[in-house]
Amino acid sequence: DGGITQSPKYLFRKEGQNVTLSCEQNLNHDAMYWYRQDPGQGLRLIYYSQIVNDFQKGDIAEGYSVSREKKESFPLTVTSAQKNPTAFYLCASSLRGWDYQETQYFGPGTRLLVL
Amino acid sequence: AQSVAQPEDQVNVAEGNPLTVKCTYSVSGNPYLFWYVQYPNRGLQFLLKYITGDNLVKGSYGFEAEFNKSQTSFHLKKPSALVSDSALYFCAVRDMGSGGYQKVTFGTGTKLQVIP
Repeated sequence: DGGITQSPKYLFRKEGQNVTLSCEQNLNHDAMYWYRQDPGQGLRLIYYSQIVNDFQKGDIAEGYSVSREKKESFPLTVTSAQKNPTAFYLCASSLRGWDYQETQYFGPGTRLLVL
Repeated sequence: AQSVAQPEDQVNVAEGNPLTVKCTYSVSGNPYLFWYVQYPNRGLQFLLKYITGDNLVKGSYGFEAEFNKSQTSFHLKKPSALVSDSALYFCAVRDMGSGGYQKVTFGTGTKLQVIP
């Protein structure tokens, strides 16, 4: 899982609650990404950030929010507007987001469960 | 729009036998192709990628993949399977595109089960 850490490993959300998933990298990568993984659906892009203080919506951004105030950190907030948040959430990073040849490196993931 | 297909949800192979995990793709430009492996409750680990050049790409843990442009395929292979290879395998594609950010599109994954 390289130099990307995600916390917590498991997270429980109550109805109407916002929760924040942490992602930190020490790889000096410019670009960071959040994916959602559901069984049988592969990975779907939620948000991505190619540089500090900039981020863009992915395919399934509704009900989620992010910030990128530091190069090393890209936290994801799952808001109460996300009606089906139960999933495995994966954070990834790459050296330069604009380079098509680049490999994305993944963190160990956070499993979010609804109480 | 780019897409990638992994036609088999699960592949079973006996230990010591060769294995193949299939992947086909569709892009408008030149493809950049990746294989990742995921062990239970873990993140994805990079195995190998095709950018350009030799159609046979060698990667980690003895895996290799063959790029076939005419068949738009990028199948993952290993000459002799190990029980420890049992995991979920993802193929991914990135289109060079016509400008702007081009995301990576992942397949739905193929579960590889190596039987002792």
